[in-house]
Amino acid sequence: GIQVEQSPPDLILQEGANSTLRCNFSDSVNNLQWFHQNPWGQLINLFYIPSGTKQNGRLSATTVATERYSLLYISSSQTTDSGVYFCAVEQGTGAQKLVFGQGTRLTINP
Amino acid sequence: DVKVTQSSRYLVKRTGEKVFLECVQDMDHENMFWYRQDPGLGLRLIYFSYDVKMKEKGDIPEGYSVSREKKERFSLILESASTNQTSMYLCASSLYRGKGRGQYFGPGTRLTVT
Repeated sequence: GIQVEQSPPDLILQEGANSTLRCNFSDSVNNLQWFHQNPWGQLINLFYIPSGTKQNGRLSATTVATERYSLLYISSSQTTDSGVYFCAVEQGTGAQKLVFGQGTRLTINP
Repeated sequence: DVKVTQSSRYLVKRTGEKVFLECVQDMDHENMFWYRQDPGLGLRLIYFSYDVKMKEKGDIPEGYSVSREKKERFSLILESASTNQTSMYLCASSLYRGKGRGQYFGPGTRLTVT
């Protein structure tokens, strides 16, 4: 099956810093999503981005489907940005089965 | 906003008990999913459903069953709970392929089987 790799696995930054998280996938995909898992375990939708670039406040994402990668940018990091960020991709027909990467754990220190 | 709710945030059950985890979505989504999340193993799909009374096995269906009698509700059933089913369970829903904006997740249920 498709492989989804995220890097780096861990990232520790000071408040105010910028960061780039990467997601590589091994095959063509129909869709790609970025999630933030908060400290209580809930997965929060950040972006639905099968291709192109989107921005939402301090966050933006770019997916280059032809080269099989996606990037998540966080600017001016805040302590509330801490948590685990997951990339997930959808392959195949029918229902939208997602395959998740292992996540990037981001820690923002004050 | 899409809202996906799960019946419990925390649940403690004994080995051998029958356990029901309930998930409800309010956006008329066709697809619903159950995942479990474990340290070091990530999120894995247990079962999904693309219509009422329809179900398909995911990657790790053993020890679980599901029920979808109404479009908005998807239940995960542990017929005889075991300690290796201690985990975080996450429910999700989405519109049918091509119409949606991806999957939306509920808050999760942390299940402990003793």
